[in-house]
Amino acid sequence: AQTVTQSQPEMSVQEAETVTLSCTYDTSESDYYLFWYKQPPSRQMILVIRQEAYKQQNATENRFSVNFQKAAKSFSLKISDSQLGDAAMYFCALTYNYKLTFGKGTLLTVNP
Amino acid sequence: ETGVTQTPRHLVMGMTNKKSLKCEQHLGHNAMYWYKQSAKKPLELMFVYNFKEQTENNSVPSRFSPECPNSSHLFLHLHTLQPEDSALYLCASSQVIGQGAGNTIYFGEGSWLTVV
Repeated sequence: AQTVTQSQPEMSVQEAETVTLSCTYDTSESDYYLFWYKQPPSRQMILVIRQEAYKQQNATENRFSVNFQKAAKSFSLKISDSQLGDAAMYFCALTYNYKLTFGKGTLLTVNP
Repeated sequence: ETGVTQTPRHLVMGMTNKKSLKCEQHLGHNAMYWYKQSAKKPLELMFVYNFKEQTENNSVPSRFSPECPNSSHLFLHLHTLQPEDSALYLCASSQVIGQGAGNTIYFGEGSWLTVV
């Protein structure tokens, strides 16, 4: 069974500052993928970033980057230069085969 | 715009009604999914179709009936629902399904369902 844990139900950050969202997971598989999805108030689930477990290099997508620690089964998301539009619920997710398992989410507030 | 379109966006139905949710993907994908998102619960996988064949039914009650006529379209037929079925229903698609495949799953905007 796969589990994904997000220990921070809510986080806040000042505009232009940096924030890190935490995620830990558990799986017995070795060939899996990790994702961060963003769900703004519109409820559209938007892919933020993706990491292949077999890659040691941390994924980066513009202002978004991850810190992937495979041995520790940790997958945190760093948002740099936070913008008001980054305010949303952020979900960490893991997939092996077609089964995508989500964490419970972290609600990020961006203060002007 | 993710290439996955869901209709209707909002639906209110009585417990004796029969309605359907529709999903269409324009990404050339072969796998399609239904997820349920309730308040204060993680997303729940309901059904998975791969090349029009159902590969997963996650113990979903029979009042939810999926249909996948082709790889681009997915329906969720609803009948005799309960108020606790009120939720956001998300459709998603991915390229293929395979052992160890990690193809990114793209979501639609969701259909808000309220059962009265």
